Amino acid sequence: ILNVEQSPQSLHVQEGDSTNFTCSFPSSNFYALHWYRWETAKSPEALFVMTLNGDEKKKGRISATLNTKEGYSYLYIKGSQPEDSATYLCAYNNAGNMLTFGGGTRLMVKP
Amino acid sequence: EPEVTQTPSHQVTQMGQEVILRCVPISNHLYFYWYRQILGQKVEFLVSFYNNEISEKSEIFDDQFSVERPDGSNFTLKIRSTKLEDSAMYFCASSEDWGRETQYFGPGTRLLVL
Repeated sequence: ILNVEQSPQSLHVQEGDSTNFTCSFPSSNFYALHWYRWETAKSPEALFVMTLNGDEKKKGRISATLNTKEGYSYLYIKGSQPEDSATYLCAYNNAGNMLTFGGGTRLMVKP
Repeated sequence: EPEVTQTPSHQVTQMGQEVILRCVPISNHLYFYWYRQILGQKVEFLVSFYNNEISEKSEIFDDQFSVERPDGSNFTLKIRSTKLEDSAMYFCASSEDWGRETQYFGPGTRLLVL
């Protein structure tokens, strides 16, 4: 059984704060790590697919890093805005197409 | 921007009834998936489908589940005889290619089995 864990489970920040959260996954047989942003009643939105150790990806104020040797990825949000409020999901892929998801980090940004 | 769509958004059914959940993947995508999330739990993989065949399935995807691409656009998940524990949000996803490709998700169908 593959174990993908995210921390923290939930996070409250003030508008303008920068924040980060963690996804940990098995370091053996790594193939890819996906990040999604999911707002209630909407489709989970793909943010990044990360494949190489040391990868850093950026989309606007959101960025992510990957360490496949120790089995973790960080997601950073710079200058959080209320519209960043969502659940952020990571999903690990060790082969094929099956994604194994973490439990998500629920971010709430207060104006 | 192309998107994955799912119908219905909500479905309520009685235990033992058959349900069919429908999805329209992104038009040029070749790989299709179903995932589900039981309330309070993680999103779980059910099945992947390519070239009119199941390519991978999880232990959850037992004989009561089946998938089909009945025409060039729809992708369906059928649950033959629903159980209370099938209550969940069911997500369809599609990708252009295999492996490290982004999987694009639909908004989900919330299934409630009474």
